[in-house]
Amino acid sequence: GENVEQHPSTLSVQEGDSAVIKCTYSDSASNYFPWYKQELGKRPQLIIDIRSNVGEKKDQRIAVTLNKTAKHFSLHITETQPEDSAVYFCAALPGRKLTFGTGTRLQVTL
Amino acid sequence: SAVISQKPSRDICQRGTSLTIQCQVDSQVTMMFWYRQQPGQSLTLIATANQGSEATYESGFVIDKFPISRPNLTFSTLTVSNMSPEDSSIYLCSVQTGAGQETQYFGPGTRLLVL
Repeated sequence: GENVEQHPSTLSVQEGDSAVIKCTYSDSASNYFPWYKQELGKRPQLIIDIRSNVGEKKDQRIAVTLNKTAKHFSLHITETQPEDSAVYFCAALPGRKLTFGTGTRLQVTL
Repeated sequence: SAVISQKPSRDICQRGTSLTIQCQVDSQVTMMFWYRQQPGQSLTLIATANQGSEATYESGFVIDKFPISRPNLTFSTLTVSNMSPEDSSIYLCSVQTGAGQETQYFGPGTRLLVL
């Protein structure tokens, strides 16, 4: 089955700096890669996703890049704000089952 | 995206009892899933709830422990049976809204504590 590794497990940045979270996947059949943000006590919320026919996607301060050859994808957050503090999960979909990474706790400090 | 609700939002239960969690969607959806999220951990798929047939369980999860129903395209239940403290977790339902739509949206979750 699919295996998704996510790094780092924790990330602390100063407000205004950029944050990058990286994930690797094992199944070359994976063709859909969403990113979820989960604030404390809340449900995971989809923030951006990318499909395998696209190398990069951007939505305001958030961007995701995908390298199919290397089987890795990354989340980039620019101009971080305190409200970006949360746990972020990457995921990969090789067919039916969405497999999640282990999560990255992002802390944005003032 | 669909509006998803879950009941109860939280519960404290005694070991050996069972709890049924409900997931209601405001529109018909093609796929419904149940996940478990243990404290500080990632999301683990328990099963896919199939309308009109038995759910499809992932490795490590069995129907006797987690019976699932899906009587129609907007509703599903997950029962946690014969609970033990190890079942303390957040249980989330998620949905895919249409055929060919990979995006999954999550319900608010049910926080379960077993004493």
